Amino acid sequence: DAGVIQSPRHEVTEMGQEVTLRCKPISGHNSLFWYRQTMMRGLELLIYFNNNVPIDDSGMPEDRFSAKMPNASFSTLKIQPSEPRDSAVYFCASSLRPSGETQYFGPGTRLLVL
Amino acid sequence: GEDVEQSLFLSVREGDSSVINCTYTDSSSTYLYWYKQEPGAGLQLLTYIFSNMDMKQDQRLTVLLNKKDKHLSLRIADTQTGDSAIYFCAEKGRGGADGLTFGKGTHLIIQP
Repeated sequence: DAGVIQSPRHEVTEMGQEVTLRCKPISGHNSLFWYRQTMMRGLELLIYFNNNVPIDDSGMPEDRFSAKMPNASFSTLKIQPSEPRDSAVYFCASSLRPSGETQYFGPGTRLLVL
Repeated sequence: GEDVEQSLFLSVREGDSSVINCTYTDSSSTYLYWYKQEPGAGLQLLTYIFSNMDMKQDQRLTVLLNKKDKHLSLRIADTQTGDSAIYFCAEKGRGGADGLTFGKGTHLIIQP
């Protein structure tokens, strides 16, 4: 199994630009999670989907952030417009619900907003 | 206080046992996890324990759970240089949700 795939692995952009992060969950998994890791706040859950439906987006910091899951094998996290404080590592994870107790993480996207 | 708390650093000698501690606050947590993160890398699941268990052993790893005190620990026997990493404690089930709540991570430093 290829595991959770994220792209790009690194992204450098300028303030005000739109950023789109992509995630392909493990085949057969029906839950997908987006997390953000920063030095100050650690790892935080942003949003998660069950069967492509957003269940809890209370962790999404602002309206500038949006996430979609158009099908079972693809999700995007978009930031528009981006700001320097959005610089972080963004992780995607997937699991099999309801029986799956384990979330498998992707390698992360390192975002730097200048 | 924080929902999941861990010490920031732990220093041990190579060959000794490492014990990383974690406390959590939500008694409704269903599963508790230990993840490992090496520099510049993603999160690797090490082990997990269901909330109705009090111990789980997997090769060099032993997880102890004291549900009454909401205390979780990870013991790594015969610590090696390759164990140097950040170890995150996480809980699942807060408020009935599926997302994980993480501690800030413990940096494990191995002395030769």
